[in-house]
Amino acid sequence: NAGVTQTPKFQVLKTGQSMTLQCAQDMNHEYMSWYRQDPGMGLRLIHYSVGAGITDQGEVPNGYNVSRSTTEDFPLRLLSAAPSQTSVYFCASRQSGEKLFFGSGTQLSVL
Amino acid sequence: KQEVTQIPAALSVPEGENLVLNCSFTDSAIYNLQWFRQDPGKGLTSLLLIQSSQREQTSGRLNASLDKSSGRSTLYIAASQPGDSATYLCAVRIDYKLSFGAGTTVTVRA
Repeated sequence: NAGVTQTPKFQVLKTGQSMTLQCAQDMNHEYMSWYRQDPGMGLRLIHYSVGAGITDQGEVPNGYNVSRSTTEDFPLRLLSAAPSQTSVYFCASRQSGEKLFFGSGTQLSVL
Repeated sequence: KQEVTQIPAALSVPEGENLVLNCSFTDSAIYNLQWFRQDPGKGLTSLLLIQSSQREQTSGRLNASLDKSSGRSTLYIAASQPGDSATYLCAVRIDYKLSFGAGTTVTVRA
């Protein structure tokens, strides 16, 4: 039982490049979400999904796209990377009303 | 917009002392509140989850209380150990969204 798996762990991009951060969970959780963590600012919600085919915006959605074609996977796409998107990104999942399980994070640097 | 505040931002205590970590939030219409632990360079691990109808939750040396009407939660860690050194974050849930505090970084000195 792997829990929530994020890849890659580290990534360096140039401004304007696009990429996809992968997130997969094997707990059959309906709810999945993406956060970014910046020093002194806590975690901020980017996008979330309450089930396959259903996504919605969080607090800081601009510059990011998501889709949820299966229960297991919830990839986060950066359309045109900017230095302001340098951050640590976390994927998390839960079952209804239960604790949130986090992946180990992706450290992204945009030069 | 829900604002979640954790004070102090950092705390250093000798081993064996009890820890008291505070969390306050502005909107009391929460679904639940969670306390998380984060070790450097790692993801978050959920420690305790308190539903809005509950007053407290306990797990081993950890106890968390919730006063929804005043917008406060407190995490107590009894008889602290060096292994308790980490950043502790609280998060409140409204609808499908969690709002996090910035965390309290705890150092337990041996």
